[in-house]
Amino acid sequence: DTAVSQTPKYLVTQMGNDKSIKCEQNLGHDTMYWYKQDSKKFLKIMFSYNNKELIINETVPNRFSPKSPDKAHLNLHINSLELGDSAVYFCASSPAQTRSYEQYFGPGTRLTVT
Amino acid sequence: AQSVSQHNHHVILSEAASLELGCNYSYGGTVNLFWYVQYPGQHLQLLLKYFSGDPLVKGIKGFEAEFIKSKFSFNLRKPSVQWSDTAEYFCAVSNTGFQKLVFGTGTRLLVSP
Repeated sequence: DTAVSQTPKYLVTQMGNDKSIKCEQNLGHDTMYWYKQDSKKFLKIMFSYNNKELIINETVPNRFSPKSPDKAHLNLHINSLELGDSAVYFCASSPAQTRSYEQYFGPGTRLTVT
Repeated sequence: AQSVSQHNHHVILSEAASLELGCNYSYGGTVNLFWYVQYPGQHLQLLLKYFSGDPLVKGIKGFEAEFIKSKFSFNLRKPSVQWSDTAEYFCAVSNTGFQKLVFGTGTRLLVSP
């Protein structure tokens, strides 16, 4: 059983395009996250949603817009893609928004902007 | 702001050698501490976590870590590594309130057979 799934796994696109990455979790968790892992493997949180409400929004360009249609899904839409957006994007979920729970990560989406 | 330092960026060991990866964090309040592992081409998996209680925590695959509050450290150890331990290891911290994991820069471990 897949706990946290992401689609697509690979995404190659040109600068200026708009793309979306989807994330779904079947763990019944209330909180979901998006992380970005750059080419040096550095991981940084981008967004966090709890029960469809945005609770963490790090300093991310407003070209990035998360959308949570329900608490099991957190999609990431990126407008006007730039070369610097190339990275691996990880979705994660946890049972609740407090610190006392580990996060479960999806397999990642490798985005390449050419 | 919170930060996490992993001083070993690359570690190369032979099989059966002992492993210790350093992790230091800067945050004065109550923290939760994690070690995640990322095998080549795979997603992050939790190795172990510390929330409270015994500062020596045991995780999966023979890994353990010790929380030393006075040193703001949470070093990862394994007495005898295997080739299959080749991976990237990330230390992470979250504090009270909303859970935001702050990751270290990772340590790439290569175990030669």
